Amino acid sequence: DADVTQTPRNRITKTGKRIMLECSQTKGHDRMYWYRQDPGLGLRLIYYSFDVKDINKGEISDGYSVSRQAQAKFSLSLESAIPNQTALYFCATSDPLDRGPGEQYFGPGTRLTVT
Amino acid sequence: GQNIDQPTEMTATEGAIVQINCTYQTSGFNGLFWYQQHAGEAPTFLSYNVLDGLEEKGRFSSFLSRSKGYSYLLLKELQMKDSASYLCAVTFDRGSTLGRLYFGRGTQLTVWP
Repeated sequence: DADVTQTPRNRITKTGKRIMLECSQTKGHDRMYWYRQDPGLGLRLIYYSFDVKDINKGEISDGYSVSRQAQAKFSLSLESAIPNQTALYFCATSDPLDRGPGEQYFGPGTRLTVT
Repeated sequence: GQNIDQPTEMTATEGAIVQINCTYQTSGFNGLFWYQQHAGEAPTFLSYNVLDGLEEKGRFSSFLSRSKGYSYLLLKELQMKDSASYLCAVTFDRGSTLGRLYFGRGTQLTVWP
């Protein structure tokens, strides 16, 4: 079974709709991240959480919100989707740096299309 | 962000050696990662460098020079399956954000038969 799972894997929605992307992990990691990836722009950080009570904005948080429901779950919401939020979204997890180098492990991605 | 630069595209032939370079700003540097990403798939961890020098892992090696703000990923005996995007990512020593990764835009490697 995959250590980091994302649901849904693909989603097509209309402008103005509220969308939630979910991420679950069985790696026991404290840290979780949400990225989006667009062609030619690489991975850009949306939000990250270093533990259940910690939420931080990344580079491109406008238009997004997150919820860390438990150590294993971190969800990303688009309150009112717009077409330029069409992208591939990745969730990732890592250990804190006092347990290792902190490499991140990525989920399989959610391909979101906003029409 | 953080001035992490790598070439956009590279091509090479099967069996050859290719070197993918990455430069970054040295201020506050903590460590550097390389990831491989096949089209439409998740990035997967390849290597981590924190000290100067070469780390070898089978056909893949990664080099770091902290003073020059420079790293490279060396791929030997190229195979068709090595066609992918290679992402350079850096962590900086910035207190509460330590551990956050800053990614370059990736180098798309195409391996020809």
